[in-house]
Order: sequence, then C-alpha cells, then structure tokens
Amino acid sequence: EVKLLESGGGLVQPGGSLKLSCAASGFDFSRYWMSWVRQAPGKGLEWIGEINPDSSTINYTPSLKDKFIISRDNAKNTLYLQMSKVRSEDTALYYCARAYYGLAWFAYWGQGTLVTVSA
Amino acid sequence: DIVMTQSQKFMSTSVGDRVSVTCKASQNVGTNVAWYQQKPGQSPKALIYSASYRYSGVPDRFTGSGSGTDFTLTISNVQSEDLAEYFCQQYNSYPLTFGAGTKLELK
Repeated sequence: EVKLLESGGGLVQPGGSLKLSCAASGFDFSRYWMSWVRQAPGKGLEWIGEINPDSSTINYTPSLKDKFIISRDNAKNTLYLQMSKVRSEDTALYYCARAYYGLAWFAYWGQGTLVTVSA
Repeated sequence: DIVMTQSQKFMSTSVGDRVSVTCKASQNVGTNVAWYQQKPGQSPKALIYSASYRYSGVPDRFTGSGSGTDFTLTISNVQSEDLAEYFCQQYNSYPLTFGAGTKLELK
C-alpha cells in the first residue's frame, strides 16, 4: 500500500524557515517524480513544485522559486521542502503527492502537514 | 501560467441526479487534465486523468470529457458520498495549475 506521511509543520514566525519531510513507503520511491502541493485554509490547491527521481530536474511554480527548495533522499525514501522567508500567506496545509508514472497528475497524496505563519 | 476556471463555486444537486462540473483552460491543454475529489478534512483523491480516463477504483458514475480548453466532470446518479469539492488540474505545461474548486451540495 502506498503511503505518504508528511511531518515538520508547526508555528513559524514571519521571515523564518521550516523544513518539511514526507516519508514514502509501499512503492519504489527512487523511480517516481514527487511534488509538493499546498492548500491555504478554505482555499484551493496550489502546486509548489516537483523533483525527478535522481534530483537532476526540479521545477517550481515561479512565484515560490526563490523561497522554497525541494529535495529528496532516495536512501531514506524521503522528500523534503525547505521553506524560507515565510509570510502569513504561506499558512497552509502542505501535501506531498506522487505523480502517476510519467504524467504530472497525482494518484497519491499524503494527509498533509499544517504550517502556520504568525508572530 | 494556464488558468483553470471553474466558474461555479457551488452546485446544488439531489441524490439520484446527474450533475456536470465544468472547467475551462485559458490555453489549449490537449487532454492533459485530471479531476480530484476532496471531502472536508481529507486529502484530494484522483478521479479522472487524461480528461476521460477513470482512475483505478473510481465508480463508473464518474465520467470525464473534453479536450483543448473545455472539460467536464459528470456524475450520474449522484450519491450522498459524492457531496464534496471537485478540482480540475492541467498538466500540459508548467507550472501545473488547479481550478479553484466546485462544491457539490444537497438542494
């Protein structure tokens, strides 16, 4: 069974940093593109970016490219999202999601980890 | 960026009805569209990919159609468990973008 388990969320001050993790199991993590998607409270879904299996290609949504960094450790079956210079509008539930083989839609989602940006 | 417009934020329906949720892309995305269902407090779940292919385990009352810029998710014989929010997503070009969602409610 495919499982994605995010962690690392919490309260962070404006301008601060936070690193989220997503532990994957139930599939060969090293073979799949992985993405981060966020959802602000009561709002829609926003794709943050994705990383390919060997980390040689990372794509971001342009507005977040300078503040978020996506990485992965295939030996640990873990995806990461390093957040920096956070602002109140970064308050959201952050999901990791697995692409469906070579297509950039998401067959599997984690349960999300909540990041709250507040002083 | 490609904007995916779901013009109806809310739709009212009754159990047993047929309802269609629409999504319009600001540019041609071919058939590179997926649909997701999200219930309160849950993660999104994939329903449809490549505009019209039903994902594994999805009931056949869910049907996707469309190509180019206009897409539709049709739910036939709506069940109470279908009351949820539905999002479309294009994956034709970067950045990947989602529609704002359509909430299906009981009349």
